[in-house]
Formats: sequence, C-alpha cells, structure tokens
Amino acid sequence: EPEVTQTPSHQVTQMGQEVILRCVPISNHLYFYWYRQILGQKVEFLVSFYNNEISEKSEIFDDQFSVERPDGSNFTLKIRSTKLEDSAMYFCASRRGAYNSPLHFGNGTRLTVT
Amino acid sequence: AQTVTQSQPEMSVQEAETVTLSCTYDTSESDYYLFWYKQPPSRQMILVIRQEAYKQQNATENRFSVNFQKAAKSFSLKISDSQLGDAAMYFCALTSYSGAGSYQLTFGKGTKLSVIP
Repeated sequence: EPEVTQTPSHQVTQMGQEVILRCVPISNHLYFYWYRQILGQKVEFLVSFYNNEISEKSEIFDDQFSVERPDGSNFTLKIRSTKLEDSAMYFCASRRGAYNSPLHFGNGTRLTVT
Repeated sequence: AQTVTQSQPEMSVQEAETVTLSCTYDTSESDYYLFWYKQPPSRQMILVIRQEAYKQQNATENRFSVNFQKAAKSFSLKISDSQLGDAAMYFCALTSYSGAGSYQLTFGKGTKLSVIP
C-alpha cells in the first residue's frame, strides 16, 4: 500500500538555524498538510496545500514557516529561524480528494531545537 | 470553529476485555466526518475507523466499533477483545468543509490506553 514518507526521522538543530522537513505524499493525492505535535500534547494543524498554493493556515504558521512543492513529488516545510518551542513531532499528511477521503499520515519527523 | 473533546486522559483495560473511549465534538456544519486515530509509542498516526455524519449506521472495523450519537454530538470508540498491541494513544478527530477548501482535521487531546496482561 502506498505510504507518505518523511525524512529525516529525527532532526537536531540549534536555535536560530533554518530547517527543512521533507515529505513525499502518495502520488495520486491532491491535498497536502503539515501538522505538529508537541510532546504530550494534541496534534495541531499547521497548513494545507492544494493546487500549488496554501489553502489554509493556522495561527501557528507564522512568517517563520513556509511550504513548497518544488518538483511535483516532494512537499517541504521550512522553518527559517528555529526557536526552542518549535521542538515537536511534525507530521506530513495527504489525501486523495475531498474530506470524505481518509487522511494518510507519514511517520513524522522529530525536531529537537537546542 | 470546530472542537473535539476527549474527557478521559487515560484508560486501562484487561487483555481480552472491552473498553470504550469517549469523544464529543462541536461543529456548525451539517456534513462532516469523524475519525479515530491510533498513535502507538512509535508515534505513527494510524487510522482506526471513520464515520460519515450522514450515515446512521455505526461504523465497524473488526474489533473496533463506534457509537455515533449525532444529536448528542458524541462519537465513542469501543474496542472488543483488547490485545496488548492496542495499547496506544487514541485521538478522536473531525473534518468538515471549512470554506477555505482545506478540509483540515481537528483533533482531541487524546486518551492514553493501557492494556493489562
């Protein structure tokens, strides 16, 4: 069964550094998402992407965050200048169609900011 | 705005017994979908079961079933014949058309399920 794949599985970075988290959604999916889960807390929506543009973003997704789908397969989340509070598990997800199709999650990237 | 509430931070069940995890939600939309996701210690998010709001029949997937009470906005998960591998964090989630076309999921805070051998 096709999977959403995320790399790296664990990223350690120093405060103030830029990080790029990478995702390869399932190939025939059209909607792409990033979610965040701070340790011990609930999964929070960051941003959704459809038709090569952001369709919705949360309050968390400020100017330090950006997303790209540079080559039709990869879907990246960039954090320009990381803060300690950005430490979390970041999940990429994709779905084939509208909201009646299930959301498929990747295994996540654990980001640790020191 | 839509909200999902899971009032049980932790639950435990004896192996082979049945356990029910509670979830309530709120949305102004009439058409929406509800989900239960399982997150084992590996932290992968695994879809357990989903329910379409327009369907009265409760969804069932093997040992997992839901009790969907639309009027009460309640969506509980029942796990029958609990197994050690069921131990995980369980998240209830809701999606509806947000108007922005993103169909994003809103999650509850989760219920940590322990299975006692």
